[in-house]
Amino acid sequence: GAGVSQTPSNKVTEKGKYVELRCDPISGHTALYWYRQSLGQGPEFLIYFQGTGAADDSGLPNDRFFAVRPEGSVSTLKIQRTERGDSAVYLCASSSQGGGTEAFFGQGTRLTVV
Amino acid sequence: QKEVEQDPGPLSVPEGAIVSLNCTYSNSAFQYFMWYRQYSRKGPELLMYTYSSGNKEDGRFTAQVDKSSKYISLFIRDSQPSDSATYLCAMIRTDSWGKLQFGAGTQVVVTP
Repeated sequence: GAGVSQTPSNKVTEKGKYVELRCDPISGHTALYWYRQSLGQGPEFLIYFQGTGAADDSGLPNDRFFAVRPEGSVSTLKIQRTERGDSAVYLCASSSQGGGTEAFFGQGTRLTVV
Repeated sequence: QKEVEQDPGPLSVPEGAIVSLNCTYSNSAFQYFMWYRQYSRKGPELLMYTYSSGNKEDGRFTAQVDKSSKYISLFIRDSQPSDSATYLCAMIRTDSWGKLQFGAGTQVVVTP
């Protein structure tokens, strides 16, 4: 596609439920990034994939968060036992080269945990 | 103290004025610098990417990097109401390749 696509655009879930957020990067981009943005804040790094492997997952807040990119293209961010504090906009970005210097972002998934 | 500091604003300017935005950082390991624009309920959009100290110009946008002062700036000339958005600085450390560190963003309002 022309840009990074994220689905769903909005997700409301109950506390304790499991959610999956999907990211389709720009075709041919080998690097993929997940960020989380709270209201009034800049995006906060979660994880960076180079190809199929996680090059840096130091931003994942705890073991309830997990991300995969099995074929080096689409990625899924998985959150188990959701908490109200997980409510935020989850942003995905991709770049043609690693490093993050020219990363292009999707529109984000707005997650609300009630 | 945050590694990247950015005044949240809001910054209000009349149409046609120059918008001046800046960020400071504390760690000299930051070597790559980006500016993003983010409209409400949209994802960040890359405006400028610089590596070296000095100026980089792209249309109405000029990015400046002063590594000795750990200070970066973005200037928007001939501002338009469509420039009203939140502007985010972002930077990458050489020891954390791939990990963008963002400022909090400055909200800019250009009034007609």
